[in-house]
Amino acid sequence: SQQGEEDPQALSIQEGENATMNCSYKTSINNLQWYRQNSGRGLVHLILIRSNEREKHSGRLRVTLDTSKKSSSLLITASRAADTASYFCATGAYYNNNDMRFGAGTRLTVKP
Amino acid sequence: ETGVTQSPTHLIKTRGQQVTLRCSSQSGHNTVSWYQQALGQGPQFIFQYYREEENGRGNFPPRFSGLQFPNYSSELNVNALELDDSALYLCASSLSRTSGSYEQYFGPGTRLTVT
Repeated sequence: SQQGEEDPQALSIQEGENATMNCSYKTSINNLQWYRQNSGRGLVHLILIRSNEREKHSGRLRVTLDTSKKSSSLLITASRAADTASYFCATGAYYNNNDMRFGAGTRLTVKP
Repeated sequence: ETGVTQSPTHLIKTRGQQVTLRCSSQSGHNTVSWYQQALGQGPQFIFQYYREEENGRGNFPPRFSGLQFPNYSSELNVNALELDDSALYLCASSLSRTSGSYEQYFGPGTRLTVT
């Protein structure tokens, strides 16, 4: 069963706009990670946020984590056509940190 | 691109057959995890190998089995293939067996089609 649930399932925006994707999860976690996947290829790690962190930045990416609400968000600023991909959150359970649980993903389309 | 490679890229098998998928991990990584990704879904954890031992397993039947070799490369074997086994199979290597604590480096995947 999948742990994370991304929202929305699909998002379409114009180049230059910001994209926000949300992830909710059910059990206590040690960490939460975001990955990107282009057209059925391998996943690329974007950012890892630990349970004691609230916000993290990496280039145009900003991730927040709210453990009280069991939710995280990924913000991509000034989006580009190359950002078109599926984005997944993945959680490492507190009780079993080697079992990464992925959500179904958000499909982002950035129109030029 | 990561240093994780997988072979073959694509594979077509018939129901009931057996298949072996291969993965070479990123240099220096001693942990390999395997995932199954059905179309339109997120990856599902199959199992993880750490220093040649299975170190955790997801909700997959015993006909899914694996191996890790001394050079940390790995194999995924699936027996008695079923139509629902059609999926993209991904392997990922990491520095630590606690995959939730470290980023994982994914290979490009093997697309398996069962007819």
